[in-house]
Amino acid sequence: SQTIHQWPATLVQPVGSPLSLECTVEGTSNPNLYWYRQAAGRGLQLLFYSVGIGQISSEVPQNLSASRPQDRQFILSSKKLLLSDSGFYLCAWSDFPRNTEAFFGQGTRLTVV
Amino acid sequence: AQTVTQSQPEMSVQEAETVTLSCTYDTSESNYYLFWYKQPPSRQMILVIRQEAYKQQNATENRFSVNFQKAAKSFSLKISDSQLGDTAMYFCAFMNLNTDKLIFGTGTRLQVFP
Repeated sequence: SQTIHQWPATLVQPVGSPLSLECTVEGTSNPNLYWYRQAAGRGLQLLFYSVGIGQISSEVPQNLSASRPQDRQFILSSKKLLLSDSGFYLCAWSDFPRNTEAFFGQGTRLTVV
Repeated sequence: AQTVTQSQPEMSVQEAETVTLSCTYDTSESNYYLFWYKQPPSRQMILVIRQEAYKQQNATENRFSVNFQKAAKSFSLKISDSQLGDTAMYFCAFMNLNTDKLIFGTGTRLQVFP
């Protein structure tokens, strides 16, 4: 069966510090991978998605970047965090048409102080 | 570019009653899927129901059903016999099967009252 791991669950970081959030998927190959951000009480904003190794689509110009160093690994990074980067970050994967839905990680609550 | 719009930020319903959540989308694509996801207070995303654009028949999953109006680009969710456990944020989502891009609406917070 397929599983998705996202860590850490909670993170408190000072302004100006770097960020690295990691997401890995097991049980499938060549999945599509996604990073979303959910601000407090708001919807899911697509940040990045990837359809293959080295293929990253950026949806929102901002202080973040994403990388996919391995087939089932997706990393969200920042060199210098801003207060506005605070939020709930979700990683997801899909592999249509094998599974006709997207599966989500547990999320990371990031607070920039 | 595709967009998903949920015009109801908050809804409330009494237990055992029926409620309908609205969703509209905009796309020029013909090959896509639509979804409703539920996010309870735990924040875990849970699939409620899915609809393939090529299927005219509305999807149904137990107490959950959709009204898919392809020409109007409307995809509403009906919850029958509402239960306290249905209290959650509900997101409408669109997946473009040509690009694999998956986008969400802003969500509707549903509160079920006893």
